[in-house]
Amino acid sequence: DSGVTQTPKHLITATGQRVTLRCSPRSGDLSVYWYQQSLDQGLQFLIQYYNGEERAKGNILERFSAQQFPDLHSELNLSSLELGDSALYFCASSVSSRTGEGGTEAFFGQGTRLTVV
Amino acid sequence: DAKTTQPNSMESNEEEPVHLPCNHSTISGTDYIHWYRQLPSQGPEYVIHGLTSNVNNRMASLAIAEDRKSSTLILHRATLRDAAVYYCILRGYDNYGQNFVFGPGTRLSVLP
Repeated sequence: DSGVTQTPKHLITATGQRVTLRCSPRSGDLSVYWYQQSLDQGLQFLIQYYNGEERAKGNILERFSAQQFPDLHSELNLSSLELGDSALYFCASSVSSRTGEGGTEAFFGQGTRLTVV
Repeated sequence: DAKTTQPNSMESNEEEPVHLPCNHSTISGTDYIHWYRQLPSQGPEYVIHGLTSNVNNRMASLAIAEDRKSSTLILHRATLRDAAVYYCILRGYDNYGQNFVFGPGTRLSVLP
């Protein structure tokens, strides 16, 4: 158990709909990262938050948005869903720091499997 | 961006040692070398990380070349449960997010 909790584990929804994925980081971790992994594809970095603020942005579509709340949990919002958005979405957390994070390991949740039909 | 190069796949026999190589010729002085692995249908799992010296933990050992342009993840006795995709990643000390990018990794198969 990594200590990172993602809910729901599975989600099936129709095209055009909007969903929210939730991530609770490990206790004490200030950074949250979101990744998308399509079938047999690599992990695509979407976005990172540190202590409530966006810190880095990757290949995140404009239809997707995220936020990190004061209690440090994070939500990834996916809207106007398309069939191609079907994927595993992973969240990771790490301690990080205000000045750097290279020496800190990250811990991943078990993911949310999103199926768009 | 500092990048890493790994073989696409490797095969090992059960209970044999496995050496997974990673090249990172453009590594900077403040980049840490991290290894993660992803078992089928699971989230990635932290394995080990280091800066300059070799590192050991309960899961594996990390051997870092003297010039830091390459490293090797060593699994001392492969088990069937070690079959996974192994990712070598450079994480900069003062860069964020964009340094936590996963490449295709090495798919390790373990034969009984």
